[in-house]
Amino acid sequence: DQQVKQNSPSLSVQEGRISILNCDYTNSMFDYFLWYKKYPAEGPTFLISISSIKDKNEDGRFTVFLNKSAKHLSLHIVPSQPGDSAVYFCAARVDSNYQLIWGAGTKLIIKP
Amino acid sequence: DTAVSQTPKYLVTQMGNDKSIKCEQNLGHDTMYWYKQDSKKFLKIMFSYNNKELIINETVPNRFSPKSPDKAHLNLHINSLELGDSAVYFCASSRPPDTLQETQYFGPGTRLLVL
Repeated sequence: DQQVKQNSPSLSVQEGRISILNCDYTNSMFDYFLWYKKYPAEGPTFLISISSIKDKNEDGRFTVFLNKSAKHLSLHIVPSQPGDSAVYFCAARVDSNYQLIWGAGTKLIIKP
Repeated sequence: DTAVSQTPKYLVTQMGNDKSIKCEQNLGHDTMYWYKQDSKKFLKIMFSYNNKELIINETVPNRFSPKSPDKAHLNLHINSLELGDSAVYFCASSRPPDTLQETQYFGPGTRLLVL
């Protein structure tokens, strides 16, 4: 049973446009959400996170939105750059629990 | 400076062999993890250690045994390797989860192929 779902295996976006990556979850006890970025042959690297007490967190070109009632979060990248081409993982955690629950990832391709 | 390092990066071995993967972190973190990324690309937690104490032990075969000689190291030993063990194994470390903005830092992965 997947508690964190990323339903789009891949997404292709024109350079300079907005990239929107989506993530849905089923466990209402999740209170901390993270996005990780992964290049081929490397480990995932932390990108941005959001606590359940917020609905938006912004860091430069990256913004994460959280809609708790819909159990949905999204990552917006504006403007998209070629270096953003990677696999993006959504992960979630229950408060003070060591275990992150991961989505399957979405492969983002930025077209020049 | 590499924050989380794993050796070897690639491992090709025969079925039935015993192998180890080493992980070291120089971030001063108390918590370390082993993940398996399967063919469907899901990242699944296998083990987690906090201050050398096992805190997460997911349902993995007991052929897999983690060993933490100190806080900076978490090694993974696999006995009697099977074809299904072929995957990418990631080590990660973090501060305790009640730390504000706690995130996990990952190593580059070890690509294990069992023939």
